[in-house]
Amino acid sequence: EPEVTQTPSHQVTQMGQEVILRCVPISNHLYFYWYRQILGQKVEFLVSFYNNEISEKSEIFDDQFSVERPDGSNFTLKIRSTKLEDSAMYFCASVWGRDTDTQYFGPGTRLTVL
Amino acid sequence: AQSVTQLGSHVSVSEGALVLLRCNYSSSVPPYLFWYVQYPNQGLQLLLKYTTGATLVKGINGFEAEFKKSETSFHLTKPSAHMSDAAEYFCAAYGGATNKLIFGTGTLLAVQP
Repeated sequence: EPEVTQTPSHQVTQMGQEVILRCVPISNHLYFYWYRQILGQKVEFLVSFYNNEISEKSEIFDDQFSVERPDGSNFTLKIRSTKLEDSAMYFCASVWGRDTDTQYFGPGTRLTVL
Repeated sequence: AQSVTQLGSHVSVSEGALVLLRCNYSSSVPPYLFWYVQYPNQGLQLLLKYTTGATLVKGINGFEAEFKKSETSFHLTKPSAHMSDAAEYFCAAYGGATNKLIFGTGTLLAVQP
């Protein structure tokens, strides 16, 4: 069964450093999402992406964040200058059609900012 | 704005007992509703979803949920808990123009032997 993959599984970085989290969505999916889950808290929407542009973003998704689909397979989340509060599990999700289809989640990348 | 509320951040049941995890949503229009499960150190796995049609939805691992419009609820049940059901369960709804998922705060289910 096709699945969403994410790399790395765990990333440790120093405050102020840039990180890039990578996702490979399911191949025929058209809509892509990033969510995050701070330890002990609920999963929060960050951004959605369709047709090579951002469709919607949350207030969390400020100028420090960017997303890109650099080729036909990868979908990346970049944090330019990490803060301690960016420490969280980051999940990528993809879906073929937007309305009733299921969003499939990757296993997540645990980001630790020291 | 769309929101999802899960009553009870921790639920503990005995093995073989009924599991009931509560979820309520706020909306004037019935949304699409989902239950996801998260096992320790793993990602989110879809248990079941309601879009349209039959209000009683069956999912994986013996779970089911019933959409009740009059109560704006989508509670998750399983007749007989198993030790392997111990996990965190998230109720979610589609919201916004791009159908982002809006999650509840989660319910951590413990199953006692």
